Amino acid sequence: DAGVIQSPRHEVTEMGQEVTLRCKPISGHDYLFWYRQTMMRGLELLIYFNNNVPIDDSGMPEDRFSAKMPNASFSTLKIQPSEPRDSAVYFCASSSKYGLKNEQYFGPGTRLTVT
Amino acid sequence: TQLLEQSPQFLSIQEGENLTVYCNSSSVFSSLQWYRQEPGEGPVLLVTVVTGGEVKKLKRLTFQFGDARKDSSLHITAAQPGDTGLYLCAGIIQGAQKLVFGQGTRLTINP
Repeated sequence: DAGVIQSPRHEVTEMGQEVTLRCKPISGHDYLFWYRQTMMRGLELLIYFNNNVPIDDSGMPEDRFSAKMPNASFSTLKIQPSEPRDSAVYFCASSSKYGLKNEQYFGPGTRLTVT
Repeated sequence: TQLLEQSPQFLSIQEGENLTVYCNSSSVFSSLQWYRQEPGEGPVLLVTVVTGGEVKKLKRLTFQFGDARKDSSLHITAAQPGDTGLYLCAGIIQGAQKLVFGQGTRLTINP
């Protein structure tokens, strides 16, 4: 199994530009999670999907952030317009169970730098 | 405010020493997990504990879930440089659905 795949691995962009992060979950997993990690705030859940449907987006910072999952094998996280404070590592994770165990498998992350 | 408090936040010890990392909360968890994260990579799941008082061993790593399911510990025996990394605890709060993470313990094992 290839694991969770994220692209790009690194993104450097200027303030005001649109940024799109991509994720391919593990085949057969029906939950997908987007996280953001910074030194100050640690690992924060932004949004998660079940069977391609957004379940909880309460962690999305503001309207500049949006996430979609058009099918079971692809999801995007978009930031428009981007700001320097969005600089962080963004992780996608997937899981095949929920409830007590919810064991998540993380991708390698996308390191975003907004200048 | 962190729902899960990890301590210490940083730990640097010599190879061969033992150490314990703690994960504490005032909330009750349905289950609790420990992940290890290395630089440039995503967190990797080490273990899941579900039952209060549960103890799980993974080679030199011993994980314990508190009796009240509010806390957990990770003990490493005879630490090795390969144990270096960021250790994260994460739990599902009873009655909720989200996995919440602690801020992590950054562990360095010096040869």
